[in-house]
Amino acid sequence: QITLKESGPTLVKPTETLTLTCTFSGFSLNTRGVGVGWIRQPPGKALEWLALIYWDDDKRYCPSLKSRLTINKDTSKNLVVLTMTNMDPVDTATYYCAHRWGMAVFDYWGQGTLVTVSS
Amino acid sequence: QSALTQPASVSGSPGQAITISCTGTSSDVGGYNFVSWYQQHPGKAPKLMIYEVSNRPSGVSNRFSGSTSGNTASLTISGLQAEDEADYYCSSYTSSTTLVFGGGTKLTVL
Repeated sequence: QITLKESGPTLVKPTETLTLTCTFSGFSLNTRGVGVGWIRQPPGKALEWLALIYWDDDKRYCPSLKSRLTINKDTSKNLVVLTMTNMDPVDTATYYCAHRWGMAVFDYWGQGTLVTVSS
Repeated sequence: QSALTQPASVSGSPGQAITISCTGTSSDVGGYNFVSWYQQHPGKAPKLMIYEVSNRPSGVSNRFSGSTSGNTASLTISGLQAEDEADYYCSSYTSSTTLVFGGGTKLTVL
């Protein structure tokens, strides 16, 4: 059974760096073809894909946010970490991590974690 | 990359069929058979309903179907039920080897 869970601060100040951790079980990021992605959703707004890391450590980022994002994995601990620099109130959102399957398919999602950016 | 274009809302009565469109470009929807659809109920995480344009994951009702024509993908829900009321999002693989979501469509069951 695949499960994912996001963790991190619920409140960050403008200009700070956000660090979110996705802890997963039921699969290994050492397995060929596997990936973990991050997606966010501002309150009342649409989903936005942020980043994706593959089993071979290949990384992909949303072009408009690429300069602010870093995604890394720790396969021994079954976790993926996303950092986003220079946080702004517009970055207030629920952040989800998800298991990637096939091409561009997120078949299992975490419950999401709400991050508020405010001074 | 720009978000895929979806209608903000659609509605239908129980038992009817509705279709939600998702328009992109030849660099995403029109260029690959890698379109997915997600259902999201309020306060919940998205749920995969369709992948690779027209495939249903195990456990998803066969009332849900997907297709594409040119740069537009479509999700059709037949035999509409009250529980189908939710937000629906399309997504696509892109030529930049990234992903893009649509703006979302709110489905109301009248």
